[in-house]
Amino acid sequence: RKEVEQDPGPFNVPEGATVAFNCTYSNSASQSFFWYRQDCRKEPKLLMSVYSSGNEDGRFTAQLNRASQYISLLIRDSKLSDSATYLCVAPLGGQAGTALIFGKGTTLSVSS
Amino acid sequence: DARVTQTPRHKVTEMGQEVTMRCQPILGHNTVFWYRQTMMQGLELLAYFRNRAPLDDSGMPKDRFSAEMPDATLATLKIQPSEPRDSAVYFCASGPGGNQPQHFGDGTRLSIL
Repeated sequence: RKEVEQDPGPFNVPEGATVAFNCTYSNSASQSFFWYRQDCRKEPKLLMSVYSSGNEDGRFTAQLNRASQYISLLIRDSKLSDSATYLCVAPLGGQAGTALIFGKGTTLSVSS
Repeated sequence: DARVTQTPRHKVTEMGQEVTMRCQPILGHNTVFWYRQTMMQGLELLAYFRNRAPLDDSGMPKDRFSAEMPDATLATLKIQPSEPRDSAVYFCASGPGGNQPQHFGDGTRLSIL
C-alpha cells in the first residue's frame, strides 16, 4: 500500500458546487496532516493543517478519521479560483518535522 | 512574508553537464527538504536536513546526485553528470520542525537535452 493515496480526478464541477476529496494514509503513527494546493507551474502552498479530528477555514473543511486512516477535504460554494491540484500530505515519521509524503494530487476544475 | 528562495528558476543544459541548484531556507527554519516533481511520479522526496545534518537521502540516486548544507542559509543539490531523465521541477522546502508544515520555494525547472 502506498504511503498516501488520492483519487487523481479530475473533478469537474460548476461554480457554487460542493466537492469533497478523500485521501488515505498508511502510517498509523502519523499525527498531523496537511492539504496543500498547487496551481499549474507553481509551487505547492499550504491550504490547511489537520492536527486533530478536523479543521474549518471559511469554505474549506478538513476532517481526519484515524480509525480508517483517511483525511477528507470539503470545498463549499466552489469558485473558479479554486481550480487547482490539491495534495494530501502526511509526515513520514509521524511528526511534521520529518519529511512529508505527498499524494499524487487531485485535480479540481471549476467552471462557470 | 519570508520565503524560500531557489536559484536558478530555469536551467537548460546538455546531458553530461554538472547542474547545481541552490536554496536559501526561511531564516530560523531548521529543516530543509529537496523534492523532485514530474508528471508521472508526482512529488518525490530526494533528501532532507535537520540543523544542517543530512537525515535521509534514500530518495536520491547516489551515483550522480549530492545534497549539502554548507551553512544554515544555503542548501545545494548537484547532479553530475546530468541525464535527460533528470528533467523535472526541483523544489526546496523549509520548516521550523515539530508539527509545523513546510514552505516551498518557487522551484528550479530543469531540462536536460
